[in-house]
Amino acid sequence: GQQVQQSPTSLVLQEGENAELQCNFSTSLNSMQWFYQRPGGSLVSVFYNPSGTKQSGRLTSTTVIKERRSSLHISSSQITDSGTYLCAMGMSNYNVLYFGSGTKLTVEP
Amino acid sequence: NAGVIQTPRHKVTGKGQEATLWCEPISGHSAVFWYRQTIVQGLEFLTYFRNQAPIDDSGMPKERFSAQMPNQSHSTLKIQSTQPQDSAVYLCASSDWGPSYEQYFGPGTRLTVL
Repeated sequence: GQQVQQSPTSLVLQEGENAELQCNFSTSLNSMQWFYQRPGGSLVSVFYNPSGTKQSGRLTSTTVIKERRSSLHISSSQITDSGTYLCAMGMSNYNVLYFGSGTKLTVEP
Repeated sequence: NAGVIQTPRHKVTGKGQEATLWCEPISGHSAVFWYRQTIVQGLEFLTYFRNQAPIDDSGMPKERFSAQMPNQSHSTLKIQSTQPQDSAVYLCASSDWGPSYEQYFGPGTRLTVL
Protein backbone atom coordinates (compact mmCIF):
# COMPACT_ATOMS: atom_id res chain seq x y z
CA GLY A 1 0.00 0.00 0.00
CA GLN A 2 0.94 3.65 0.30
CA GLN A 3 3.01 2.90 3.39
CA VAL A 4 5.58 1.02 1.34
CA GLN A 5 7.08 2.69 -1.71
CA GLN A 6 9.22 0.52 -3.95
CA SER A 7 11.39 1.71 -6.82
CA PRO A 8 12.04 1.40 -9.65
CA THR A 9 8.87 -0.18 -11.01
CA SER A 10 10.86 -1.96 -13.68
CA LEU A 11 14.50 -2.35 -14.58
CA VAL A 12 16.22 -3.78 -17.64
CA LEU A 13 19.86 -4.78 -17.38
CA GLN A 14 22.47 -6.37 -19.53
CA GLU A 15 23.91 -9.53 -18.07
CA GLY A 16 26.76 -8.68 -15.73
CA GLU A 17 25.43 -5.26 -14.70
CA ASN A 18 24.51 -4.43 -11.11
CA ALA A 19 21.04 -3.57 -9.81
CA GLU A 20 19.91 -1.48 -6.86
CA LEU A 21 16.31 -1.85 -5.69
CA GLN A 22 14.86 0.50 -3.10
CA CYS A 23 12.08 0.35 -0.58
CA ASN A 24 10.94 3.30 1.55
CA PHE A 25 8.55 3.22 4.48
CA SER A 26 6.27 5.91 5.85
CA THR A 27 6.30 4.51 9.40
CA SER A 28 8.70 2.74 11.68
CA LEU A 29 9.07 -0.98 11.12
CA ASN A 30 9.45 -4.12 13.20
CA SER A 31 10.39 -6.53 10.44
CA MET A 32 11.53 -6.45 6.84
CA GLN A 33 11.65 -9.09 4.12
CA TRP A 34 12.61 -9.17 0.45
CA PHE A 35 10.90 -11.69 -1.79
CA TYR A 36 11.47 -12.99 -5.33
CA GLN A 37 8.66 -14.14 -7.58
CA ARG A 38 8.61 -15.50 -11.12
CA PRO A 39 5.46 -14.99 -13.22
CA GLY A 40 2.88 -17.42 -11.87
CA GLY A 41 5.35 -18.57 -9.25
CA SER A 42 5.58 -18.69 -5.49
CA LEU A 43 6.94 -15.99 -3.19
CA VAL A 44 10.47 -16.98 -2.26
CA SER A 45 12.05 -15.22 0.70
CA VAL A 46 15.36 -13.70 -0.34
CA PHE A 47 16.24 -11.88 2.87
CA TYR A 48 14.78 -11.37 6.31
CA ASN A 49 16.55 -8.21 7.35
CA PRO A 50 14.91 -5.89 9.89
CA SER A 51 18.12 -3.91 10.34
CA GLY A 52 21.71 -3.74 9.16
CA THR A 53 23.32 -5.46 6.21
CA LYS A 54 23.08 -9.07 5.10
CA GLN A 55 24.77 -10.76 2.15
CA SER A 56 24.08 -13.98 0.34
CA GLY A 57 26.19 -14.67 -2.70
CA ARG A 58 25.62 -11.87 -5.20
CA LEU A 59 22.76 -10.38 -3.19
CA THR A 60 23.11 -7.80 -0.43
CA SER A 61 20.32 -6.26 1.63
CA THR A 62 20.72 -3.12 3.74
CA THR A 63 18.01 -1.80 6.04
CA VAL A 64 18.43 1.55 7.77
CA ILE A 65 15.67 1.92 10.32
CA LYS A 66 16.26 5.61 11.13
CA GLU A 67 16.03 6.52 7.45
CA ARG A 68 13.05 4.20 6.92
CA ARG A 69 14.52 2.49 3.90
CA SER A 70 15.80 -0.85 2.72
CA SER A 71 17.72 -1.76 -0.41
CA LEU A 72 18.52 -4.90 -2.34
CA HIS A 73 21.71 -4.92 -4.37
CA ILE A 74 22.28 -7.53 -7.04
CA SER A 75 25.81 -7.70 -8.37
CA SER A 76 26.88 -9.22 -11.69
CA SER A 77 23.29 -9.89 -12.72
CA GLN A 78 22.41 -13.09 -14.53
CA ILE A 79 19.52 -13.95 -16.83
CA THR A 80 18.12 -16.22 -14.13
CA ASP A 81 17.77 -13.20 -11.80
CA SER A 82 14.88 -12.00 -13.96
CA GLY A 83 11.56 -11.79 -12.14
CA THR A 84 9.76 -9.55 -9.68
CA TYR A 85 11.30 -8.51 -6.39
CA LEU A 86 8.98 -7.40 -3.60
CA CYS A 87 9.79 -5.80 -0.29
CA ALA A 88 7.51 -6.16 2.69
CA MET A 89 7.54 -4.60 6.12
CA GLY A 90 5.90 -5.45 9.38
CA MET A 91 4.84 -2.44 11.42
CA SER A 92 2.67 -3.64 14.23
CA ASN A 93 3.30 -5.67 17.34
CA TYR A 94 2.42 -8.74 15.36
CA ASN A 95 4.01 -9.58 12.11
CA VAL A 96 1.47 -8.67 9.41
CA LEU A 97 3.42 -7.80 6.29
CA TYR A 98 2.65 -4.82 4.07
CA PHE A 99 4.04 -5.18 0.57
CA GLY A 100 5.47 -2.81 -1.98
CA SER A 101 4.24 -2.97 -5.55
CA GLY A 102 7.37 -4.75 -6.74
CA THR A 103 10.27 -4.20 -9.13
CA LYS A 104 10.17 -6.19 -12.34
CA LEU A 105 13.75 -7.04 -13.24
CA THR A 106 14.67 -8.20 -16.73
CA VAL A 107 18.23 -9.30 -17.41
CA GLU A 108 19.11 -9.62 -21.07
CA PRO A 109 22.05 -11.47 -22.64
CA ASN B 1 10.29 -29.86 6.20
CA ALA B 2 7.77 -29.65 3.39
CA GLY B 3 7.19 -25.94 3.83
CA VAL B 4 3.74 -24.38 3.83
CA ILE B 5 1.28 -26.53 1.92
CA GLN B 6 -1.75 -25.10 0.15
CA THR B 7 -4.49 -27.00 -1.59
CA PRO B 8 -5.88 -26.93 -4.16
CA ARG B 9 -3.33 -25.15 -6.33
CA HIS B 10 -6.03 -24.10 -8.76
CA LYS B 11 -9.77 -23.76 -8.27
CA VAL B 12 -12.42 -22.66 -10.73
CA THR B 13 -15.89 -21.82 -9.47
CA GLY B 14 -19.01 -20.41 -10.97
CA LYS B 15 -20.42 -17.14 -9.75
CA GLY B 16 -22.38 -17.70 -6.55
CA GLN B 17 -20.67 -20.95 -5.60
CA GLU B 18 -18.64 -21.55 -2.46
CA ALA B 19 -14.86 -22.00 -2.39
CA THR B 20 -12.80 -23.45 0.47
CA LEU B 21 -9.05 -23.06 0.47
CA TRP B 22 -6.73 -25.07 2.71
CA CYS B 23 -3.41 -24.27 4.32
CA GLU B 24 -1.05 -26.47 6.32
CA PRO B 25 1.58 -24.33 8.10
CA ILE B 26 5.12 -25.38 8.85
CA SER B 27 5.15 -27.69 11.85
CA GLY B 28 5.91 -25.77 15.03
CA HIS B 29 4.96 -22.38 13.67
CA SER B 30 2.35 -20.67 15.82
CA ALA B 31 1.33 -17.83 13.49
CA VAL B 32 -0.63 -18.27 10.27
CA PHE B 33 -1.40 -15.49 7.81
CA TRP B 34 -3.64 -15.26 4.75
CA TYR B 35 -2.89 -12.79 1.94
CA ARG B 36 -4.40 -12.17 -1.48
CA GLN B 37 -2.53 -11.19 -4.65
CA THR B 38 -4.08 -9.54 -7.69
CA ILE B 39 -2.54 -7.60 -10.54
CA VAL B 40 -4.52 -4.47 -9.65
CA GLN B 41 -4.18 -4.47 -5.83
CA GLY B 42 -0.91 -6.33 -5.46
CA LEU B 43 -0.40 -8.29 -2.25
CA GLU B 44 -2.77 -7.49 0.59
CA PHE B 45 -3.29 -8.90 4.06
CA LEU B 46 -6.53 -10.70 4.87
CA THR B 47 -6.36 -12.33 8.30
CA TYR B 48 -4.04 -13.73 10.95
CA PHE B 49 -4.09 -16.47 13.61
CA ARG B 50 -1.81 -17.02 16.56
CA ASN B 51 -1.92 -20.34 18.38
CA GLN B 52 -5.12 -21.05 16.43
CA ALA B 53 -6.87 -17.96 17.78
CA PRO B 54 -8.01 -15.25 15.34
CA ILE B 55 -6.03 -12.09 16.04
CA ASP B 56 -6.72 -9.70 13.20
CA ASP B 57 -9.16 -10.00 10.31
CA SER B 58 -9.12 -6.35 9.32
CA GLY B 59 -8.27 -7.19 5.71
CA MET B 60 -11.13 -9.60 5.19
CA PRO B 61 -14.19 -8.58 3.19
CA LYS B 62 -16.80 -8.88 5.92
CA GLU B 63 -19.80 -10.41 4.26
CA ARG B 64 -18.67 -13.48 2.33
CA PHE B 65 -15.21 -14.32 3.64
CA SER B 66 -14.42 -16.35 6.73
CA ALA B 67 -11.32 -18.09 8.05
CA GLN B 68 -10.81 -20.74 10.67
CA MET B 69 -7.98 -22.62 12.29
CA PRO B 70 -9.51 -25.66 13.99
CA ASN B 71 -6.14 -27.17 14.91
CA GLN B 72 -2.47 -26.26 14.73
CA SER B 73 -1.95 -28.20 11.52
CA HIS B 74 -4.37 -26.48 9.19
CA SER B 75 -6.33 -23.34 8.42
CA THR B 76 -9.15 -22.77 5.97
CA LEU B 77 -10.35 -19.73 4.08
CA LYS B 78 -13.94 -19.95 2.92
CA ILE B 79 -15.56 -17.66 0.38
CA GLN B 80 -19.32 -17.87 0.07
CA SER B 81 -21.22 -16.79 -3.02
CA THR B 82 -18.02 -16.17 -4.98
CA GLN B 83 -17.92 -13.20 -7.32
CA PRO B 84 -15.62 -12.53 -10.31
CA GLN B 85 -13.78 -9.87 -8.29
CA ASP B 86 -12.74 -12.61 -5.83
CA SER B 87 -10.49 -14.07 -8.54
CA ALA B 88 -6.95 -13.89 -7.19
CA VAL B 89 -4.08 -15.93 -5.86
CA TYR B 90 -4.65 -16.63 -2.18
CA LEU B 91 -1.44 -17.07 -0.21
CA CYS B 92 -0.90 -18.61 3.19
CA ALA B 93 2.19 -17.95 5.29
CA SER B 94 3.43 -19.13 8.66
CA SER B 95 6.04 -17.98 11.13
CA ASP B 96 7.21 -18.37 14.67
CA TRP B 97 5.49 -16.01 17.10
CA GLY B 98 7.07 -12.61 17.54
CA PRO B 99 7.26 -9.22 15.85
CA SER B 100 10.47 -10.01 14.07
CA TYR B 101 10.14 -13.51 12.73
CA GLU B 102 10.46 -14.43 9.10
CA GLN B 103 7.33 -15.48 7.21
CA TYR B 104 7.36 -18.49 4.91
CA PHE B 105 4.83 -18.57 2.10
CA GLY B 106 3.02 -21.43 0.45
CA PRO B 107 2.66 -21.74 -3.33
CA GLY B 108 -0.80 -20.18 -3.26
CA THR B 109 -4.22 -21.17 -4.57
CA ARG B 110 -5.26 -19.53 -7.82
CA LEU B 111 -9.01 -18.95 -7.62
CA THR B 112 -10.88 -18.18 -10.83
CA VAL B 113 -14.54 -17.21 -10.59
CA LEU B 114 -16.34 -17.41 -13.90
